[in-house]
Parts: sequence; structure tokens; C-alpha cells
Amino acid sequence: GNSVTQMEGPVTLSEEAFLTINCTYTATGYPSLFWYVQYPGEGLQLLLKATKADDKGSNKGFEATYRKETTSFHLEKGSVQVSDSAVYFCALGSYIPTFGRGTSLIVHP
Amino acid sequence: SQTIHQWPATLVQPVGSPLSLECTVEGTSNPNLYWYRQAAGRGLQLLFYSVGIGQISSEVPQNLSASRPQDRQFILSSKKLLLSDSGFYLCAWSGKSGRALLGLGDTQYFGPGTRLTVL
Repeated sequence: GNSVTQMEGPVTLSEEAFLTINCTYTATGYPSLFWYVQYPGEGLQLLLKATKADDKGSNKGFEATYRKETTSFHLEKGSVQVSDSAVYFCALGSYIPTFGRGTSLIVHP
Repeated sequence: SQTIHQWPATLVQPVGSPLSLECTVEGTSNPNLYWYRQAAGRGLQLLFYSVGIGQISSEVPQNLSASRPQDRQFILSSKKLLLSDSGFYLCAWSGKSGRALLGLGDTQYFGPGTRLTVL
């Protein structure tokens, strides 16, 4: 069956540091891949997505590339801000969506 | 534009009491609807999903049930709450795009959530 594995957190960074949150998946076919972000006390919201191999999703300085050869969809940002502190979920699209367990990001001033 | 509402925002209930959480979607028709639970410090657990009125699929057997009496209304219920039912409940919807119909997935749009505490 489908599965998503993402690195455990929390990830703690200083402002302006480089961010990578790893995500790998197992799936049949060519599902869409997503990153969602959850701010404290709120629901999830779409951050970015990619629908086919080698697609790069990007939004608000965040990027992730759909790598079929390594079955990965790692999230990156060149310079994080305190306001990026949140929980990030990698997800795989299918008839029944599959989510990773979430990675908490804490950014210090 | 589409919006999704959940209520109540917070709820404190005693063990053994009933539960009814409501979710409504505006600005779209015939959506797929989902209920998730998020326990403290843990990921999302899919509880139920629905592809149409009266069509409910359960992912995890437990003392919860779901109903979809109208196209854009999704209700989560319980006859008797357990301590383990505490958590953050999220409703979500997605469209029926070509990719979704092929099982390749479409964006999910989440509501603001209901924080349930069972004492």
C-alpha cells in the first residue's frame, strides 16, 4: 500500500538558516505529492504540490521537487523566518490520501 | 470562492456523553468530504470519507460514526464518548478532478478544526 515517511522533528533553526525536511514515499503509479502546513491551533493548508515526475512545486520561498527515481519530495527553503514556525506534513494523493506524521519546525530569532 | 466551516471550535464533554460535530462547505458542489483526528503531538488519522450523499467509508473501527445528509454537510457523531476520543478533529474537502477520479489525488482543503476534550 501507499506510505509516506518524513523526518521526525522538531527541527530547530535560527532565522535565515537553510531548511530541509525530508519526505520519501511508496506508491504505485504516479500520484500527486503535497506539502501542507499547520500553524498552531489551525487546520492544515496547502503549501505546494507537484503532479508528475521532475515537477517543482514552490510557494512563499519553499520548494520541493518530485523525484521518482529516489521516491522523494523533500521540502526546502533558503532562508527561514520566525513566522515559518509550524508543523509541515508531506502527503501523497490517492483515492484515500496518505499523510506523513508531520515535522515540527521551530525558528528562533 | 470555497469555504469550509466547522463547529463548535472547542468542546469539553464528559465520558459517556454524546457527540455531534458539524462541517459544511460553501462554493462547491459534490465534493469528497473527510474527517480526520489529530491526537496531541501526532499525525493525522483518517476516520471517514464520503464521495456523495449517504455514502460513508470508515477507515478505523471505533465508537464514532459519520453521516452526510446533504451534499455539502458532513457530521461526526458518537453515542458515548471515551477518554481516548480527545483530540483535534479536522474536516476537509476535495474536488473530483480528472486526477482525483484516476486515484492520483487532488488538493484537500481543511476546516479550522474542533478541539475536543473528554474528561
